[in-house]
Amino acid sequence: QKEVEQDPGPLSVPEGAIVSLNCTYSNSAFQYFMWYRQYSRKGPELLMYTYSSGNKEDGRFTAQVDKSSKYISLFIRDSQPSDSATYLCAMSIQDNDMRFGAGTRLTVKP
Amino acid sequence: GAVVSQHPSWVICKSGTSVKIECRSLDFQATTMFWYRQFPKQSLMLMATSNEGSKATYEQGVEKDKFLINHASLTLSTLTVTSAHPEDSSFYICSANRDGFSYEQYFGPGTRLTVT
Repeated sequence: QKEVEQDPGPLSVPEGAIVSLNCTYSNSAFQYFMWYRQYSRKGPELLMYTYSSGNKEDGRFTAQVDKSSKYISLFIRDSQPSDSATYLCAMSIQDNDMRFGAGTRLTVKP
Repeated sequence: GAVVSQHPSWVICKSGTSVKIECRSLDFQATTMFWYRQFPKQSLMLMATSNEGSKATYEQGVEKDKFLINHASLTLSTLTVTSAHPEDSSFYICSANRDGFSYEQYFGPGTRLTVT
């Protein structure tokens, strides 16, 4: 079993839709949870990070962590074509031990 | 701020040769840098963690004699793929850690290596 599971998609939605991206994990020791966005042929860029359980909102993006279910989510409201990218979840126990999901390819169609 | 560059952005080399990839933090000092490889449609796989002035820590299954990492200064780390083979063809991405927390990693744009 992989430490971090993420459905690779692809996921295609119309512009304006609410997008839900999810990851599950097996190691209950993870306590830092991140979402990265990666455009084609580019390095990932940090979108959101959350420590332990709870929600965090930043503009159109909301990150949720449910440690009891070992499940994290990223919601994108009012999705735009510019949101089309691969979204990677990542998590770590402490410094310097980040583990990534496989990434979900998202396409937002105008 | 927090810009990381990589050079070259893509490279083609012949089997058996060595290739060096540079990773630079342009506007901050990076005490820790990370090297990842990414195959098409797959996740980033951490290869090694390097701290300035000390030996890199390699992940299990990564050959340290094949993937030489040097972190000579607080703004530069290099990855040398020695005696490259076609199976080493991949996308190599570095990241730099500014504040000592792994979530504060800033990624470079990646280097696409093709070994013929």
